[in-house]
Amino acid sequence: EPEVTQTPSHQVTQMGQEVILRCVPISNHLYFYWYRQILGQKVEFLVSFYNNEISEKSEIFDDQFSVERPDGSNFTLKIRSTKLEDSAMYFCASIGRIGQSNEKLFFGSGTQLSVL
Amino acid sequence: AQSVTQLDSQVPVFEEAPVELRCNYSSSVSVYLFWYVQYPNQGLQLLLKYLSGSTLVKGINGFEAEFNKSQTSFHLRKPSVHISDTAEYFCAVSDPWGSQGNLIFGKGTKLSVKP
Repeated sequence: EPEVTQTPSHQVTQMGQEVILRCVPISNHLYFYWYRQILGQKVEFLVSFYNNEISEKSEIFDDQFSVERPDGSNFTLKIRSTKLEDSAMYFCASIGRIGQSNEKLFFGSGTQLSVL
Repeated sequence: AQSVTQLDSQVPVFEEAPVELRCNYSSSVSVYLFWYVQYPNQGLQLLLKYLSGSTLVKGINGFEAEFNKSQTSFHLRKPSVHISDTAEYFCAVSDPWGSQGNLIFGKGTKLSVKP
Protein backbone atom coordinates (compact mmCIF):
# COMPACT_ATOMS: atom_id res chain seq x y z
CA GLU A 1 0.00 0.00 0.00
CA PRO A 2 1.29 3.51 -0.75
CA GLU A 3 2.59 5.57 2.16
CA VAL A 4 2.75 9.15 3.31
CA THR A 5 6.27 9.80 4.60
CA GLN A 6 7.08 12.29 7.33
CA THR A 7 10.49 13.48 8.47
CA PRO A 8 11.89 13.75 11.02
CA SER A 9 10.09 11.35 13.33
CA HIS A 10 11.20 13.44 16.33
CA GLN A 11 12.13 17.10 16.45
CA VAL A 12 13.36 18.95 19.51
CA THR A 13 13.61 22.72 19.41
CA GLN A 14 14.02 25.68 21.68
CA MET A 15 11.11 28.02 22.28
CA GLY A 16 11.10 30.86 19.76
CA GLN A 17 12.91 28.88 17.07
CA GLU A 18 11.50 28.14 13.65
CA VAL A 19 10.78 24.54 12.69
CA ILE A 20 9.86 22.95 9.41
CA LEU A 21 8.10 19.62 9.37
CA ARG A 22 8.33 17.73 6.14
CA CYS A 23 5.95 15.37 4.41
CA VAL A 24 5.97 13.49 1.15
CA PRO A 25 2.35 12.74 0.23
CA ILE A 26 1.37 9.91 -2.07
CA SER A 27 2.49 10.84 -5.55
CA ASN A 28 -0.81 11.16 -7.41
CA HIS A 29 -2.74 12.74 -4.55
CA LEU A 30 -4.13 16.24 -4.89
CA TYR A 31 -5.33 17.21 -1.41
CA PHE A 32 -3.00 17.59 1.55
CA TYR A 33 -3.59 18.10 5.24
CA TRP A 34 -1.87 18.72 8.54
CA TYR A 35 -3.26 17.56 11.85
CA ARG A 36 -1.80 17.65 15.32
CA GLN A 37 -2.34 15.72 18.53
CA ILE A 38 -1.27 17.19 21.84
CA LEU A 39 -0.50 14.44 24.33
CA GLY A 40 -3.70 13.10 25.84
CA GLN A 41 -5.94 15.21 23.63
CA LYS A 42 -7.87 14.83 20.37
CA VAL A 43 -6.37 14.75 16.93
CA GLU A 44 -7.08 18.26 15.59
CA PHE A 45 -7.36 19.50 12.03
CA LEU A 46 -4.95 22.33 11.22
CA VAL A 47 -5.08 23.01 7.50
CA SER A 48 -5.96 21.62 4.09
CA PHE A 49 -4.15 22.49 0.87
CA TYR A 50 -5.19 22.07 -2.74
CA ASN A 51 -3.97 23.50 -6.00
CA ASN A 52 -1.12 25.33 -4.27
CA GLU A 53 -3.27 27.19 -1.83
CA ILE A 54 -4.90 26.74 1.54
CA SER A 55 -8.48 25.57 1.14
CA GLU A 56 -9.42 25.41 4.82
CA LYS A 57 -7.77 26.17 8.12
CA SER A 58 -8.72 25.88 11.74
CA GLU A 59 -8.48 28.48 14.50
CA ILE A 60 -5.26 26.81 15.62
CA PHE A 61 -3.58 27.66 12.32
CA ASP A 62 -2.66 31.27 13.11
CA ASP A 63 -0.03 33.56 11.60
CA GLN A 64 2.75 31.53 13.18
CA PHE A 65 1.93 28.62 10.89
CA SER A 66 2.42 28.31 7.16
CA VAL A 67 2.34 25.52 4.63
CA GLU A 68 4.08 25.13 1.35
CA ARG A 69 4.45 22.70 -1.49
CA PRO A 70 7.87 23.80 -2.69
CA ASP A 71 8.19 21.19 -5.40
CA GLY A 72 6.14 18.37 -6.86
CA SER A 73 6.67 16.01 -3.99
CA ASN A 74 7.13 17.75 -0.62
CA PHE A 75 4.52 19.37 1.59
CA THR A 76 5.86 21.33 4.56
CA LEU A 77 4.48 22.85 7.73
CA LYS A 78 6.47 25.76 9.16
CA ILE A 79 6.07 27.14 12.64
CA ARG A 80 7.73 30.55 12.71
CA SER A 81 8.39 31.01 16.40
CA THR A 82 7.61 27.93 18.42
CA LYS A 83 5.85 28.05 21.76
CA LEU A 84 5.76 25.43 24.49
CA GLU A 85 2.16 24.67 23.61
CA ASP A 86 3.16 23.72 20.07
CA SER A 87 4.60 20.49 21.47
CA ALA A 88 2.54 17.77 19.84
CA MET A 89 2.52 14.96 17.31
CA TYR A 90 1.99 16.43 13.85
CA PHE A 91 0.39 14.24 11.19
CA CYS A 92 0.42 14.84 7.48
CA ALA A 93 -2.28 13.28 5.31
CA SER A 94 -3.27 13.16 1.67
CA ILE A 95 -6.16 11.99 -0.46
CA GLY A 96 -6.45 11.55 -4.20
CA ARG A 97 -9.84 13.06 -4.93
CA ILE A 98 -12.67 14.24 -2.74
CA GLY A 99 -16.28 13.18 -2.97
CA GLN A 100 -15.38 9.69 -4.16
CA SER A 101 -16.55 6.78 -2.02
CA ASN A 102 -13.56 4.64 -2.95
CA GLU A 103 -11.05 7.24 -1.84
CA LYS A 104 -9.51 7.34 1.60
CA LEU A 105 -7.27 9.62 3.57
CA PHE A 106 -3.74 8.31 4.07
CA PHE A 107 -1.85 9.49 7.15
CA GLY A 108 1.86 9.59 7.79
CA SER A 109 3.32 8.18 10.99
CA GLY A 110 3.80 11.64 12.44
CA THR A 111 6.52 13.97 13.69
CA GLN A 112 6.76 14.35 17.44
CA LEU A 113 7.67 17.99 18.09
CA SER A 114 9.05 18.88 21.51
CA VAL A 115 9.49 22.56 22.33
CA LEU A 116 11.76 23.21 25.31
CA ALA B 1 -20.57 22.73 14.88
CA GLN B 2 -19.80 19.03 14.90
CA SER B 3 -18.33 17.03 17.73
CA VAL B 4 -17.45 13.43 18.50
CA THR B 5 -17.57 11.70 21.87
CA GLN B 6 -15.82 8.47 22.63
CA LEU B 7 -16.99 7.62 26.10
CA ASP B 8 -14.41 4.96 26.87
CA SER B 9 -10.80 6.07 27.04
CA GLN B 10 -9.59 2.51 27.67
CA VAL B 11 -11.17 -0.86 26.97
CA PRO B 12 -9.42 -4.02 28.21
CA VAL B 13 -10.66 -7.33 26.82
CA PHE B 14 -9.46 -10.90 26.64
CA GLU B 15 -8.42 -12.48 23.38
CA GLU B 16 -11.30 -13.99 21.37
CA ALA B 17 -13.88 -11.96 23.30
CA PRO B 18 -16.23 -9.59 21.45
CA VAL B 19 -15.67 -5.87 21.74
CA GLU B 20 -17.68 -2.72 21.12
CA LEU B 21 -16.07 0.72 21.05
CA ARG B 22 -18.61 3.46 21.43
CA CYS B 23 -18.84 6.64 19.39
CA ASN B 24 -21.50 9.33 19.50
CA TYR B 25 -21.53 12.43 17.39
CA SER B 26 -23.30 15.75 17.37
CA SER B 27 -24.14 17.61 14.20
CA SER B 28 -26.90 19.81 12.86
CA VAL B 29 -26.31 18.47 9.36
CA SER B 30 -25.71 15.08 7.81
CA VAL B 31 -22.25 13.68 8.27
CA TYR B 32 -19.73 11.20 7.02
CA LEU B 33 -18.43 8.90 9.75
CA PHE B 34 -15.09 7.16 10.08
CA TRP B 35 -13.13 4.86 12.33
CA TYR B 36 -9.34 5.01 12.30
CA VAL B 37 -6.83 2.80 14.08
CA GLN B 38 -3.39 3.81 15.28
CA TYR B 39 -0.89 1.09 16.09
CA PRO B 40 2.12 2.05 18.23
CA ASN B 41 4.57 4.33 16.40
CA GLN B 42 2.44 4.37 13.27
CA GLY B 43 0.08 6.79 11.55
CA LEU B 44 -3.68 6.64 11.47
CA GLN B 45 -5.15 3.95 9.24
CA LEU B 46 -8.73 3.92 7.99
CA LEU B 47 -10.73 0.96 9.32
CA LEU B 48 -14.06 1.81 7.75
CA LYS B 49 -16.32 4.67 6.79
CA TYR B 50 -19.97 5.47 6.36
CA LEU B 51 -20.90 7.87 3.59
CA SER B 52 -24.40 6.75 2.65
CA GLY B 53 -26.44 3.62 1.96
CA SER B 54 -26.45 0.57 4.21
CA THR B 55 -26.09 1.53 7.85
CA LEU B 56 -23.95 -1.53 8.60
CA VAL B 57 -20.45 -0.97 7.35
CA LYS B 58 -17.78 -3.63 7.17
CA GLY B 59 -14.14 -2.69 7.37
CA ILE B 60 -10.72 -4.24 7.47
CA ASN B 61 -9.49 -6.75 10.05
CA GLY B 62 -13.00 -8.06 10.77
CA PHE B 63 -14.35 -4.81 12.20
CA GLU B 64 -17.79 -3.44 11.47
CA ALA B 65 -19.79 -0.43 12.58
CA GLU B 66 -23.42 0.53 12.50
CA PHE B 67 -24.68 4.02 11.82
CA ASN B 68 -27.69 4.84 13.98
CA LYS B 69 -29.08 8.22 13.05
CA SER B 70 -31.71 8.36 15.79
CA GLN B 71 -29.10 7.69 18.46
CA THR B 72 -26.39 9.66 16.64
CA SER B 73 -24.04 6.75 17.15
CA PHE B 74 -21.47 4.86 15.12
CA HIS B 75 -20.22 2.09 17.39
CA LEU B 76 -17.39 -0.16 16.27
CA ARG B 77 -17.63 -3.90 16.85
CA LYS B 78 -15.61 -7.03 16.41
CA PRO B 79 -16.97 -10.46 17.37
CA SER B 80 -13.61 -11.94 18.37
CA VAL B 81 -10.49 -9.85 18.99
CA HIS B 82 -6.84 -10.81 18.62
CA ILE B 83 -3.77 -9.64 20.48
CA SER B 84 -2.81 -7.78 17.30
CA ASP B 85 -5.92 -5.57 17.62
CA THR B 86 -4.28 -3.79 20.56
CA ALA B 87 -4.17 -0.17 19.38
CA GLU B 88 -5.87 3.16 19.77
CA TYR B 89 -9.11 3.66 17.85
CA PHE B 90 -10.45 7.02 16.76
CA CYS B 91 -13.93 7.89 15.60
CA ALA B 92 -14.24 10.90 13.30
CA VAL B 93 -16.83 12.89 11.36
CA SER B 94 -16.76 15.21 8.42
CA ASP B 95 -19.41 17.12 6.57
CA PRO B 96 -20.48 15.56 3.27
CA TRP B 97 -19.86 18.52 0.98
CA GLY B 98 -16.28 19.20 1.92
CA SER B 99 -13.37 16.88 1.47
CA GLN B 100 -13.09 13.68 3.46
CA GLY B 101 -9.92 15.16 4.86
CA ASN B 102 -11.28 17.83 7.20
CA LEU B 103 -12.08 15.49 10.03
CA ILE B 104 -13.22 16.09 13.58
CA PHE B 105 -11.88 13.35 15.81
CA GLY B 106 -12.90 11.90 19.12
CA LYS B 107 -10.36 11.55 21.91
CA GLY B 108 -9.69 7.94 21.08
CA THR B 109 -10.19 4.61 22.81
CA LYS B 110 -7.23 2.44 23.72
CA LEU B 111 -8.09 -1.18 23.15
CA SER B 112 -5.93 -3.58 25.11
CA VAL B 113 -6.31 -7.27 24.26
CA LYS B 114 -4.98 -9.65 26.88
CA PRO B 115 -4.15 -13.32 26.37
